Amino acid sequence: LAKTTQPISMDSYEGQEVNITCSHNNIATNDYITWYQQFPSQGPRFIIQGYKTKVTNEVASLFIPADRKSSTLSLPRVSLSDTAVYYCLVGDNDYKLSFGAGTTVTVRA
Amino acid sequence: DAGVTQSPTHLIKTRGQQVTLRCSPKSGHDTVSWYQQALGQGPQFIFQYYEEEERQRGNFPDRFSGHQFPNYSSELNVNALLLGDSALYLCASSLKTYEQYFGPGTRLTVT
Repeated sequence: LAKTTQPISMDSYEGQEVNITCSHNNIATNDYITWYQQFPSQGPRFIIQGYKTKVTNEVASLFIPADRKSSTLSLPRVSLSDTAVYYCLVGDNDYKLSFGAGTTVTVRA
Repeated sequence: DAGVTQSPTHLIKTRGQQVTLRCSPKSGHDTVSWYQQALGQGPQFIFQYYEEEERQRGNFPDRFSGHQFPNYSSELNVNALLLGDSALYLCASSLKTYEQYFGPGTRLTVT
C-alpha cells in the first residue's frame, strides 16, 4: 500500500475554499485515491474518489496531476460544519481501507 | 433506509474479560468490515467478512475474531482484553469495496 503524507492541521474561515494536498510518491498503477471525512464521535464518511485528472461531486473536487504522486482535495466555500478530520487513502480498491492520521480542518466564523 | 447500526454505544470492561460488539449493515450491503480507532489516530483495519467468511485480515492478534450471519449482520469478539484494546470500534458495510459506509462506533473502555 502506498504511504500518504498530508498536513496535520489546517485553519480556515467560513466562505473560503480549503485545499488539502496529499503526497503519495509510491502510488501504484492500479491504485485509486479516496478521501473520507470524519466528525468527532462518528464513523468516517466517503467524500470522493479519483484515478487521474479531476473529479467533482456535490461536496468536493479532487485534482490529480499527471504523475499522480500527489492529489488535492478542494472544499468550496466551507462552513463551520465542515470542521472535521479529512483522510487521504491510496489503494487498489482492495478489501481494506488504510487510514493515516488525517488532516484536522478547523473552520472559524 | 437505516444506515449502519452498532451496539452497544459504550462499554466498560475489565482486563482479561471478553467482549462482543454487534453490527447491522446498511440495507442491501453484503460485506462488513471492522476497524479499531485509538484516540487521535485513524481507523485501523481489523478484518472483513463476506458470505459469512473472513475475507481479509489486518495486523491484529487472534484474540480478535468475528462472525457474519446469513442476514449479513456481524459480530466482533475480543478475548483476554488488554488496556490497549480501549478504542472506538467501527463497523463499515459496503457493496462496492471502495465506498464503505461506517456506523457510529462502539466506545470500549478497558480498566
